[in-house]
Amino acid sequence: AQTVTQSQPEMSVQEAETVTLSCTYDTSESDYYLFWYKQPPSRQMILVIRQEAYKQQNATENRFSVNFQKAAKSFSLKISDSQLGDAAMYFCAYRRITGGGNKLTFGTGTQLKVEL
Amino acid sequence: NAGVTQTPKFQVLKTGQSMTLQCAQDMNHEYMSWYRQDPGMGLRLIHYSVGAGITDQGEVPNGYNVSRSTTEDFPLRLLSAAPSQTSVYFCASRAQPGLAGNEQFFGPGTRLTVL
Repeated sequence: AQTVTQSQPEMSVQEAETVTLSCTYDTSESDYYLFWYKQPPSRQMILVIRQEAYKQQNATENRFSVNFQKAAKSFSLKISDSQLGDAAMYFCAYRRITGGGNKLTFGTGTQLKVEL
Repeated sequence: NAGVTQTPKFQVLKTGQSMTLQCAQDMNHEYMSWYRQDPGMGLRLIHYSVGAGITDQGEVPNGYNVSRSTTEDFPLRLLSAAPSQTSVYFCASRAQPGLAGNEQFFGPGTRLTVL
């Protein structure tokens, strides 16, 4: 079974600084997707960024980028120029490409605080 | 498009009561799912459907039933509520497989408390 581990329950960052959230996963599959979701206090789950495992290039979306290390099964999220609106719970998630229905396997989340 | 909608937003039940959490999507998505979110545990899959008339169990299906009579709707039924079912419930949908990395859309969630 696939597992996703986020070892940082809480992180803090100063506004305009950079922060990196860690995620590791375990799978026997060779092809899969990895995601970072943001959950603000409104509870809405918002997709931040996704990575296809077969792509070597790290995904980037504006201030958000990932460091995908397939051999190490590591998938960290870097937030540059942090803003107050980035404060939220961040979840790392995994999904198989074939089979498995619609199952996303989530980590336990990292609560990010942004300080002035 | 309204996206994925869920009703109600909040619900309080007594132990043993039954209820249905409603979920609808207007994006013509084949795949729909129900997750529950508990503190410190992330989201866990309860049941999912890959199309009308087809459902399957996820990671934590006990105490819940689902059906999928239309593409748009995917209700989640609690037959006899228990305090262990106190949680936040999310419905999600996405387009059929084959679309690389196709995004999963989440509803706003339902906070359920069972006394």
